[in-house]
Amino acid sequence: EPEVTQTPSHQVTQMGQEVILRCVPISNHLYFYWYRQILGQKVEFLVSFYNNEISEKSEIFDDQFSVERPDGSNFTLKIRSTKLEDSAMYFCASSPSSLYNEQFFGPGTRLTVL
Amino acid sequence: AQTVTQSQPEMSVQEAETVTLSCTYDTSESDYYLFWYKQPPSRQMILVIRQEAYKQQNATENRFSVNFQKAAKSFSLKISDSQLGDAAMYFCAYKGHRDDKIIFGKGTRLHILP
Repeated sequence: EPEVTQTPSHQVTQMGQEVILRCVPISNHLYFYWYRQILGQKVEFLVSFYNNEISEKSEIFDDQFSVERPDGSNFTLKIRSTKLEDSAMYFCASSPSSLYNEQFFGPGTRLTVL
Repeated sequence: AQTVTQSQPEMSVQEAETVTLSCTYDTSESDYYLFWYKQPPSRQMILVIRQEAYKQQNATENRFSVNFQKAAKSFSLKISDSQLGDAAMYFCAYKGHRDDKIIFGKGTRLHILP
């Protein structure tokens, strides 16, 4: 069964550094999402992406964050200058369409900012 | 703003017994979807069951069923004949009909006792 994959599984970085988290959504899906979960807190929506544009974003998704679909398979989340509070598990998800309400999640990337 | 509340951080159940996980939510919308996602240790979240708010009939998927009380804004998950493989974190979640984002509760960690 097709799955969403994410790399790396764990990323450690220094505060102020840029990180790129990578996701490969399910191949025929058209909608892509990023969520994050700070340790001990809820999974929170960051951004949704369709047709090479952001379709919805949360207040968390400020100018430090950007998303891109650089080719036909990858979907990336970039954090330009990481802060300590960016340490979290980041989940990518994809969906065939906006009307198909299930989102399929990847295993997550644990980001640790030192 | 919509919220999802899971008041049971952890629960335990004997193998083969039945367990019910509680969830309440708050919304002013009339058209929405509710989900239970399961996240086994070190694995991705997978959808267990989905309920459309306009449907009065409670959703059922094999050993998993929900008790959807729209007026009370309650959405509990019942797992019958619990199996060791059911041990996981369970997230209750909400999605508005026109929204991209899914809103999650904090999760309930379910332990299955052999």
